[in-house]
Amino acid sequence: SYVLTQPPSVSVAPGKTATITCGGNNIQSQSVHWYQQKPGQAPLLVISYDSDRPSGIPERFSGSISGDTATLTISRVEAGDEADYYCQLWIHSRDEYFFGSGTKVTVL
Amino acid sequence: QVLLVQSGAEMKKPGASVKVSCKASGYTFTSYLVHWVRQAPGQGLEWMATIDPSNGRTNYAQKLQGRLTLTRDTSTSTVYMDLSSLTSKDTAIYYCAKEAVATGGNSAFDPWGQGSLVTVSS
Repeated sequence: SYVLTQPPSVSVAPGKTATITCGGNNIQSQSVHWYQQKPGQAPLLVISYDSDRPSGIPERFSGSISGDTATLTISRVEAGDEADYYCQLWIHSRDEYFFGSGTKVTVL
Repeated sequence: QVLLVQSGAEMKKPGASVKVSCKASGYTFTSYLVHWVRQAPGQGLEWMATIDPSNGRTNYAQKLQGRLTLTRDTSTSTVYMDLSSLTSKDTAIYYCAKEAVATGGNSAFDPWGQGSLVTVSS
């Protein structure tokens, strides 16, 4: 199995920057996608292919990848950003999809 | 507007089977993979399986092989997820999701259905 490691929680004050990491073996050779999930809702794609922002997602959301770590950055955090965030990728050689364990972002 | 609408909540007894539907609209049904993902109460997301609606080809997570079957009906643009030999560990919200970009595998999941709660209890 392929393990994607995320911190269980991140706390951030309004207006500050939240950084959520997703670690995996040689992750930079994969395409990483990020989802936001608010309580009682289905996940919502916020970043695709490491750093592409889908239509309708605020510019405050950005993604990057380097070495064994992918990163989702939320700038100028707002109360509405409070949610669980998951990274996800596809391992081509195994034709399997993997999700990270999820990170709960709390806005102080 | 691309939309995936799932069937309603189900309550099943251990050992039974459940069938959840996912009706697609707003795009060409046979051009994009459809994935199934589940989320146990208070837990994270778990990929279950994928189906290619153009030919019915399926790909199942190893832990669910033998118990899980995906089918599709191209006449109604609907994908079905059938899970058998249910136990309490199968209690979860089940989501379908469309391949965001037609890449045959590497794309993100977007959009997602609203989810279907399956409760397994005696």
